[in-house]
Amino acid sequence: SQKIEQNSEALNIQEGKTATLTCNYTNYSPAYLQWYRQDPGRGPVFLLLIRENEKEKRKERLKVTFDTTLKQSLFHITASQPADSATYLCALQGGSARQLTFGSGTQLTVLP
Amino acid sequence: DARVTQTPRDKVTEMGQEVTMRCQPILGHNTVFWYRQTMMQGLELLAYFRNRAPLDDSGMPKDRFSAEMPDATLATLKIQPSEPRDSAVYFCASGLVVRTINEQFFGPGTRLTVL
Repeated sequence: SQKIEQNSEALNIQEGKTATLTCNYTNYSPAYLQWYRQDPGRGPVFLLLIRENEKEKRKERLKVTFDTTLKQSLFHITASQPADSATYLCALQGGSARQLTFGSGTQLTVLP
Repeated sequence: DARVTQTPRDKVTEMGQEVTMRCQPILGHNTVFWYRQTMMQGLELLAYFRNRAPLDDSGMPKDRFSAEMPDATLATLKIQPSEPRDSAVYFCASGLVVRTINEQFFGPGTRLTVL
């Protein structure tokens, strides 16, 4: 069955460092991969979308990579700040499907 | 600032009661999704609509859940009868799908507690 795994449920890093979150998938051939941020008591907020033929995408301090051979996406936040503390969700979409399948999320805490 | 709205924000009810959750998608979006989020299962897709037509509701328990879009500005999710295991946060999301999916815009969610 299709499976999406995000690295450790919780990740703590020091302010200013680069946070790296991992999303691995099995039995899936996604055409698109998205990353969302979710704060407590709120709905997920879209951050980045990367296509299967793209290796890397950047937006300000965020960078996403997509390796379809390894079946893995890495999400990086450079120069992390306490305000980046949140749960980050990866979501996969197949080529013809319109729906997303979400991972369970990684809770990131950036310590001042 | 366009956003998805959901009502109610919180709902506490007793087992066996009917629960109706409402969602107003962003004007102009043609796709609406209903998700359920729990600590154990994470974010699960229940159903979604495109141009008001249901495309997939395979994630929804059919015997007690129903989802409808009576018009372009309103989507509803109904549970009848509700059970304690339905306790979760229910999110509505909308998006504009032309040829491929783009980002989804989530509402604030309805926190449902069934006693």
